Amino acid sequence: DAGVIQSPRHEVTEMGQEVTLRCKPISGHDYLFWYRQTMMRGLELLIYFNNNVPIDDSGMPEDRFSAKMPNASFSTLKIQPSEPRDSAVYFCASRATYEQYFGPGTRLTVT
Amino acid sequence: AQKVTQAQTEISVVEKEDVTLDCVYETRDTTYYLFWYKQPPSGELVFLIRRNSFDEQNEISGRYSWNFQKSTSSFNFTITASQVVDSAVYFCALKTGGGNKLTFGTGTQLKVEL
Repeated sequence: DAGVIQSPRHEVTEMGQEVTLRCKPISGHDYLFWYRQTMMRGLELLIYFNNNVPIDDSGMPEDRFSAKMPNASFSTLKIQPSEPRDSAVYFCASRATYEQYFGPGTRLTVT
Repeated sequence: AQKVTQAQTEISVVEKEDVTLDCVYETRDTTYYLFWYKQPPSGELVFLIRRNSFDEQNEISGRYSWNFQKSTSSFNFTITASQVVDSAVYFCALKTGGGNKLTFGTGTQLKVEL
């Protein structure tokens, strides 16, 4: 079975540019979560969806961050404009019942 | 509010030693779920185990075993005869029965050396 798929795996961009991260959850999972991981702050939940509807976006750091889930098999996390402090590993995870399954992550570097 | 504490920041052992990773949790909910995840140097987060609050049976899977004790609010993870491939950061996490979010501990970095 395919796990959670994320793209790109690595992204290097310049400050001020728009960045879009993509996620394909495991088929049949109705919850989707976006996390950010940094050395300083650890794992932070940014937003999660249930049946494609955003349920809790209280972890989104600021208006520069937005997330969408247009259908059950695709979600995006967009940062516009990006800043150096956004550099982190961004994980997408999906869940059917209890445990969350994580994608491989996107390592974002903003210079 | 929920909280997960992994007091051990880093542990170093020699291969074939047994090692226990501690996890202490706090919640007022009577129904909750506990998890362990492994993050190897390659970076992905791998689900290892889930335990329900109403099932205190300990579990063994190969060299891995988990000791769940509600009396001490602990869910400890033991690796028997550790191997270099066990080197990773291990996270303990908590989910309440009515919630959808995972509360993660800060992780324990395990280094297994030859």
